[in-house]
Amino acid sequence: GAVVSQHPSRVICKSGTSVKIECRSLDFQATTMFWYRQFPKQSLMLMATSNEGSKATYEQGVEKDKFLINHASLTLSTLTVTSAHPEDSSFYICSARDSRALEQYFGPGTRLTVT
Amino acid sequence: GEDVEQSLFLSVREGDSSVINCTYTDSSSTYLYWYKQEPGAGLQLLTYIFSNMDMKQDQRLTVLLNKKDKHLSLRIADTQTGDSAIYFCAESIGGSQGNLIFGKGTKLSVKP
Repeated sequence: GAVVSQHPSRVICKSGTSVKIECRSLDFQATTMFWYRQFPKQSLMLMATSNEGSKATYEQGVEKDKFLINHASLTLSTLTVTSAHPEDSSFYICSARDSRALEQYFGPGTRLTVT
Repeated sequence: GEDVEQSLFLSVREGDSSVINCTYTDSSSTYLYWYKQEPGAGLQLLTYIFSNMDMKQDQRLTVLLNKKDKHLSLRIADTQTGDSAIYFCAESIGGSQGNLIFGKGTKLSVKP
């Protein structure tokens, strides 16, 4: 199956700093990438949808100025958490979809801890 | 709004069958998915079913869909300890480009 990687897998940062998470599709072109957030023992919540070359579409309640998404190429999307706070600590998962496919392929996730 | 419900826990003995149930509310869902998440890892797509299908079988996995009742189930035959994980049901809305709405996940524990 298709492979999606995320980097880093785990990051600890201080409050007020910014953190960038990368999501790459390794063996297919991802016209659409999704960013999810998962709280402990809870489901995944879609944060935003990004199509290559255009602005991301954010879900209601997600601050676009805080969670900056860039989908500059067909294999790379980045999520930057700006001015991170402890409440931003979470597990962030990206997924990628080929325009011809039905499936979303998920990355392994990034554990963000803000101290 | 869209909502996907699952029971939170299921415990079975190794070798038995596991049945994980899911209900959804959006009748316009086109595809329904089952994902597996092992501790600390991302999601792995197990299988999916199109809304005009009643059943889909793939090796040890059987998916049943009752569209009238908006009920989806995943049966794992001959459950193994390696099947212990959280299983998420998800519905796709808005056609093939639609977003996924996930249930909270069912934690399957397999006892030897």
